[in-house]
Amino acid sequence: DSGVTQTPKHLITATGQRVTLRCSPRSGDLSVYWYQQSLDQGLQFLIQYYNGEERAKGNILERFSAQQFPDLHSELNLSSLELGDSALYFCASSVTPSGGTQYFGPGTRLTVL
Amino acid sequence: AQSVSQHNHHVILSEAASLELGCNYSYGGTVNLFWYVQYPGQHLQLLLKYFSGDPLVKGIKGFEAEFIKSKFSFNLRKPSVQWSDTAEYFCAVNSGGSQGNLIFGKGTKLSVKP
Repeated sequence: DSGVTQTPKHLITATGQRVTLRCSPRSGDLSVYWYQQSLDQGLQFLIQYYNGEERAKGNILERFSAQQFPDLHSELNLSSLELGDSALYFCASSVTPSGGTQYFGPGTRLTVL
Repeated sequence: AQSVSQHNHHVILSEAASLELGCNYSYGGTVNLFWYVQYPGQHLQLLLKYFSGDPLVKGIKGFEAEFIKSKFSFNLRKPSVQWSDTAEYFCAVNSGGSQGNLIFGKGTKLSVKP
């Protein structure tokens, strides 16, 4: 158990819908990262927050957004869902904003029908 | 842009065989290097990491990796694999600069036959 929690574990929804994925980092970690894992793209970095502020952006679509709240948990919002958004979404956390070890949560498996 | 290459897509070994998984990265500056393992249906777990110092790093479950700067490589090794090592292995790098995200390789699936 890494100490990073993610909810829900599984999410099944329809095209065009909007979903919210939630992540709670390890106690004491200020940095939260979101990654998408799909068969064709592998593990891709989406976005990073550090202590409530957006720190870095990766291959995140405009339909996707995220935020980190004062209690440091983070939410990833995915809207206007398409079939191709079906993937595993992982959250990771670390103490420092860069260069440190990242600990991963169990992931949310999103299926878009 | 940084990238990570893992040469083997799928490796099949018998128990007690030795393992070496290749990883090369492209980045000219200082890097932090990681190997993560993903057991079937589970999340990524850290096997080992290299930040600086001794280029031979030891991780959990008998794994080790060697950082060879001149070859931009960070290969993962284990002298004798077990059936329980069946999993997918990911090499990752981050530059340690202002951005903290990891760049992952495509992963190597390891199947160990009992």
